Amino acid sequence: KQEVTQIPAALSVPEGENLVLNCSFTDSAIYNLQWFRQDPGKGLTSLLLIQSSQREQTSGRLNASLDKSSGRSTLYIAASQPGDSATYLCAVVSTGGGADGLTFGKGTHLIIQP
Amino acid sequence: ETGVTQSPTHLIKTRGQQVTLRCSSQSGHNTVSWYQQALGQGPQFIFQYYREEENGRGNFPPRFSGLQFPNYSSELNVNALELDDSALYLCASSLVPLTGELFFGEGSRLTVL
Repeated sequence: KQEVTQIPAALSVPEGENLVLNCSFTDSAIYNLQWFRQDPGKGLTSLLLIQSSQREQTSGRLNASLDKSSGRSTLYIAASQPGDSATYLCAVVSTGGGADGLTFGKGTHLIIQP
Repeated sequence: ETGVTQSPTHLIKTRGQQVTLRCSSQSGHNTVSWYQQALGQGPQFIFQYYREEENGRGNFPPRFSGLQFPNYSSELNVNALELDDSALYLCASSLVPLTGELFFGEGSRLTVL
């Protein structure tokens, strides 16, 4: 059974810093990995999707990497801003037979101090 | 392009009642999936519909059921509500199952008293 872990659970940094959020998964047989952002009480906003054959994806100040063999992904946020404060979730789609949907981690709660 | 929309946004029910939540998928998306998110937790997969057929299900009891319509909109029905069913219910759509990027709605917040 696929399990996704995100470290740290919470992070507070001053504005302007570069930071890295970590995601690990137990079964490397995946179709893809997706990073999301969630504001309090709201739905999920897709940030980046990495297919299993890809190593990284970039969008603006965000860069996500994928090392499928070691079961790890990182989300790098450059020059953080207070508006980046949110919970960041990573999720994978496993290939283990049938449509199992996304398996999510519990998220990293990020606070950017002005 | 219209995003994923869900209704209602909030609702309160009592134990034993039944609830129906609705979702309109993003234009052109034929795959819809539903997730339950308890407070402080990551979303948990309930089930997925592709072209009106359920093609995947998570670890949820049969009292959680769904439908997908010809226009690819979807419903989630929960019977015999329990207190633990209180959660944010999220709908997501994608162009294709499995490999497609998922786009989520704002969710329906269900409180069971």
